[in-house]
Amino acid sequence: GEDVEQSLFLSVREGDSSVINCTYTDSSSTYLYWYKQEPGAGLQLLTYIFSNMDMKQDQRLTVLLNKKDKHLSLRIADTQTGDSAIYFCAETPSGAGSYQLTFGKGTKLSVIP
Amino acid sequence: NAGVTQTPKFQVLKTGQSMTLQCAQDMNHEYMSWYRQDPGMGLRLIHYSVGAGITDQGEVPNGYNVSRSTTEDFPLRLLSAAPSQTSVYFCASSLTLGEQFFGPGTRLTVL
Repeated sequence: GEDVEQSLFLSVREGDSSVINCTYTDSSSTYLYWYKQEPGAGLQLLTYIFSNMDMKQDQRLTVLLNKKDKHLSLRIADTQTGDSAIYFCAETPSGAGSYQLTFGKGTKLSVIP
Repeated sequence: NAGVTQTPKFQVLKTGQSMTLQCAQDMNHEYMSWYRQDPGMGLRLIHYSVGAGITDQGEVPNGYNVSRSTTEDFPLRLLSAAPSQTSVYFCASSLTLGEQFFGPGTRLTVL
């Protein structure tokens, strides 16, 4: 079955880069996602990457995908206090009926001023 | 567009009571889903729907019912609430696979 693993906590200083890591088990995943959840709010899609890509950059965000190791990472450059949130990695497995997202447990990012 | 709306924002129930969590979207999305979020557990899929009249079970469907009579609405029913259903519930909708838009959530406490 599908499983997505993330470390639960990360603490960085303002201005440094943050790297949030994720591993997944379904090698047939077609899309991999990063969602952000601010306190008391729902989840917001940050970015996603197709499984045939190695990297995607979007302003301060860089997503790296290593399909061989089934490893996904999210790098936030110049981390700000407003980046403090929980970040969820998620995958959509391929195949019929793949309308489900499987989420990791989330990584709580704390940014120290 | 209001996006995905959920009501109520907060609810307290006694064990055995029933209630319906409402979810509506105005984006004409075919796919809608319900998740529950518990500390240290991430989000787990309860039920989902790929269009009006079509629903299916997710990872944790027991104790919950859903129906999808219109494209816009996807209510979640708790027939007999239990303390184990204390959680934050999120509704989401999507036009395409994976790009799901989430509502603000309903925080439910069952005593």
